[in-house]
Amino acid sequence: GQQVMQIPQYQHVQEGEDFTTYCNSSTTLSNIQWYKQRPGGHPVFLIQLVKSGEVKKQKRLTFQFGEAKKNSSLHITATQTTDVGTYFCAGAATNKLIFGTGTLLAVQP
Amino acid sequence: SAVISQKPSRDICQRGTSLTIQCQVDSQVTMMFWYRQQPGQSLTLIATANQGSEATYESGFVIDKFPISRPNLTFSTLTVSNMSPEDSSIYLCSVGFGTNQPQHFGDGTRLSIL
Repeated sequence: GQQVMQIPQYQHVQEGEDFTTYCNSSTTLSNIQWYKQRPGGHPVFLIQLVKSGEVKKQKRLTFQFGEAKKNSSLHITATQTTDVGTYFCAGAATNKLIFGTGTLLAVQP
Repeated sequence: SAVISQKPSRDICQRGTSLTIQCQVDSQVTMMFWYRQQPGQSLTLIATANQGSEATYESGFVIDKFPISRPNLTFSTLTVSNMSPEDSSIYLCSVGFGTNQPQHFGDGTRLSIL
């Protein structure tokens, strides 16, 4: 079945460092979405990418959708302690949203 | 976005009992979903709750174990039946306007079975 993998599984950074998480799908996607889940919280929708090669920015966050619509990345510039949490990509295909394995980000002040 | 109220927020239950989780939305939504999330893991879709008809279950999940109701466009329930310790997890409802569209989640129900 369809799988969505993320790397790394865990990353620990110093505050101010950059962070990137990568998302790879086994199948071509109609769109990809990103969610953030704070410790003890629920997933919160961040953004949706639809077009091949699309790049979107939200303040310090940059999201990319690959040309083949099978991979995506989330880059955070100059991390802050408020960025702590697990970042999930979710790939949309065959009328279903498949959540990636997630990347847990820890930020040391 | 929609305000989603999920109850209970947490519960500790005895083996063999059943628990019904409620999800109430403050506006009508097309799609409602139920997920399970083991601690430190990703989200696994249990089923899509269909208004006025039987839910659509994912592979590995069956109606006898996870009966779902959705009587209208703002409310759904998930029952975890005949619970065992393996059912200890976080159960999340979410809402959206299409199967491939962004979803908004309730706060979740943290369930522990003794």
